[in-house]
Amino acid sequence: NAGVMQNPRHLVRRRGQEARLRCSPMKGHSHVYWYRQLPEEGLKFMVYLQKENIIDESGMPKERFSAEFPKEGPSILRIQQVVRGDSAAYFCASSPQGFYTDTQYFGPGTRLTVL
Amino acid sequence: AQKVTQAQTEISVVEKEDVTLDCVYETRDTTYYLFWYKQPPSGELVFLIRRNSFDEQNEISGRYSWNFQKSTSSFNFTITASQVVDSAVYFCALRLNTGNQFYFGTGTSLTVIP
Repeated sequence: NAGVMQNPRHLVRRRGQEARLRCSPMKGHSHVYWYRQLPEEGLKFMVYLQKENIIDESGMPKERFSAEFPKEGPSILRIQQVVRGDSAAYFCASSPQGFYTDTQYFGPGTRLTVL
Repeated sequence: AQKVTQAQTEISVVEKEDVTLDCVYETRDTTYYLFWYKQPPSGELVFLIRRNSFDEQNEISGRYSWNFQKSTSSFNFTITASQVVDSAVYFCALRLNTGNQFYFGTGTSLTVIP
């Protein structure tokens, strides 16, 4: 029973390029969350998605960042025109129902480095 | 506003010692959930425990135990007879009865010295 999968595990981009981070939730989970972990900080919530819907994007920067969770395929976090400050670990989590009691299970993270 | 504080940034202990990781949370909600996650050097986040605000019973799982004190808004985590494999960053997190996000503390980096 595979856990949450994220790829790539490491991503290097130059300033101005685009970064695409992928997340496949655990089998049977239809709720996906993205978090960002800056160096030596805790995780900060970015966005919560269900299939084909963004439910809560209150933690997403207003510009350059977008997320989707299509009917088929993984959830994608997209960062356009990356800047050095985007360098961080991006974690995806999934839960089966999204209810407040749900435990979120985390993937291994994607470490983005912007040169 | 919600907040989780892990005042201990780094802790080092010698193998077989007991160690307690502190977590203090702030919320005005009466129903909420508390979590501990472990982040080993490999980077993934491993779920350890979930506790709801109505259940103040302490919990023990092997060498791990958790002490939930609503009166002091604390949810401390104790590892007894620590082992080198316990070396990791440990995060405490809060989730409310409403909303979708977790509020994480900044983590405590535990090093167990052989």
